[in-house]
Amino acid sequence: GDSVTQMEGPVTLSEEAFLTINCTYTATGYPSLFWYVQYPGEGLQLLLKATKADDKGSNKGFEATYRKETTSFHLEKGSVQVSDSAVYFCALIPNRDDKIIFGKGTRLHILP
Amino acid sequence: EAGVAQSPRYKIIEKRQSVAFWCNPISGHATLYWYQQILGQGPKLLIQFQNNGVVDDSQLPKDRFSAERLKGVDSTLKIQPAKLEDSAVYLCASSLDFGEFQETQYFGPGTRLLVL
Repeated sequence: GDSVTQMEGPVTLSEEAFLTINCTYTATGYPSLFWYVQYPGEGLQLLLKATKADDKGSNKGFEATYRKETTSFHLEKGSVQVSDSAVYFCALIPNRDDKIIFGKGTRLHILP
Repeated sequence: EAGVAQSPRYKIIEKRQSVAFWCNPISGHATLYWYQQILGQGPKLLIQFQNNGVVDDSQLPKDRFSAERLKGVDSTLKIQPAKLEDSAVYLCASSLDFGEFQETQYFGPGTRLLVL
């Protein structure tokens, strides 16, 4: 069935380091792909999305490119800040009107 | 704009007791979702409403869980009786409608349930 696999955490980096959180997916159709972020004590927020192959989603300095050939949607940021500490969820919607499927989440700690 | 509101934020009950959670979506949002997020896992959809009709409840354990969305606004999720494995965070989310807006869901802060 459709699924999302993302790298296990926690990921600990120093401020201004480069971030990559890996996400790969399995889907039979042409899914839409998402990254959600959950800051401590808050609900999930949509960070970015891409709805077709080769699309790049970006927001708040984060980027992810929809790679159909490698079934991946890796999250990247060139220089992380302490305020980026949160749990990041990769997710997909297999086809329009399907339910959203989340990965297990990756906890990110940024040290000052 | 006010976000999705949920209450209570925390609840501790003993197994076999019942519990109810409340959600108030963003004003004007037709679609409302309830998710269960067990520690260390991603959220899992329990039920989805479009206005006051159920769109998808395929993953709702209907022998103990129930949900309603009277008048197409607020929603209540109930567990009766609770089991230890129901310990989780229950998230409510809303979105404007299906179609191109269906993907952008706005989440509440969640209700953390502990069943002893």
